[in-house]
Amino acid sequence: AQSVTQLGSHVSVSEGALVLLRCNYSSSVPPYLFWYVQYPNQGLQLLLKYTSAATLVKGINGFEAEFKKSETSFHLTKPSAHMSDAAEYFCAVSDSNTGKLIFGQGTTLQVKP
Amino acid sequence: EAGVAQSPRYKIIEKRQSVAFWCNPISGHATLYWYQQILGQGPKLLIQFQNNGVVDDSQLPKDRFSAERLKGVDSTLKIQPAKLEDSAVYLCASSLEASSYNSPLHFGNGTRLTVT
Repeated sequence: AQSVTQLGSHVSVSEGALVLLRCNYSSSVPPYLFWYVQYPNQGLQLLLKYTSAATLVKGINGFEAEFKKSETSFHLTKPSAHMSDAAEYFCAVSDSNTGKLIFGQGTTLQVKP
Repeated sequence: EAGVAQSPRYKIIEKRQSVAFWCNPISGHATLYWYQQILGQGPKLLIQFQNNGVVDDSQLPKDRFSAERLKGVDSTLKIQPAKLEDSAVYLCASSLEASSYNSPLHFGNGTRLTVT
């Protein structure tokens, strides 16, 4: 069965600092991986997805993620945090049979001024 | 394009009462999902429709939860009777086709249910 694990339920960074949100996956087949962001009282918005064409994936709002098969990881990064990045971030893997998304527990990003 | 619409935004009920949530997906989206998001957890799929047929309802507590998607467009999720542990945000999502890789999910803002 496919699954994802997000390391750290809360991450706090200063404005302008590097953002690193960790995600490890478990899959017996080449995975389809995603990062979603959820702002308070809103639904989830797609940040980026792993296409298998390139291991470094660029998304919206300056975020990017690197697929590392040897480490079974798909960590999300942003060079410089903005206050508006404060939100909850979810890593997800797509079920190879049905296409449904299987989400991690989420990581709350706090950005301090 | 208009997004996924859900109503109501908030609902408070007592345990053992019934409740229904409504979802209108993006026009033309064949696949519709209902997810349950308990506070502090990631969303969990309850049921997936392809047009008006059920693709996956393996995680739906069928003794109390039911869902339908008449005419392959709008969908309703019902809980009867509700339990305290049903307190959560219920998210509806839609996509053009079943493969989430080729067709990303678009989520509504959710319905926050509180069972007292």
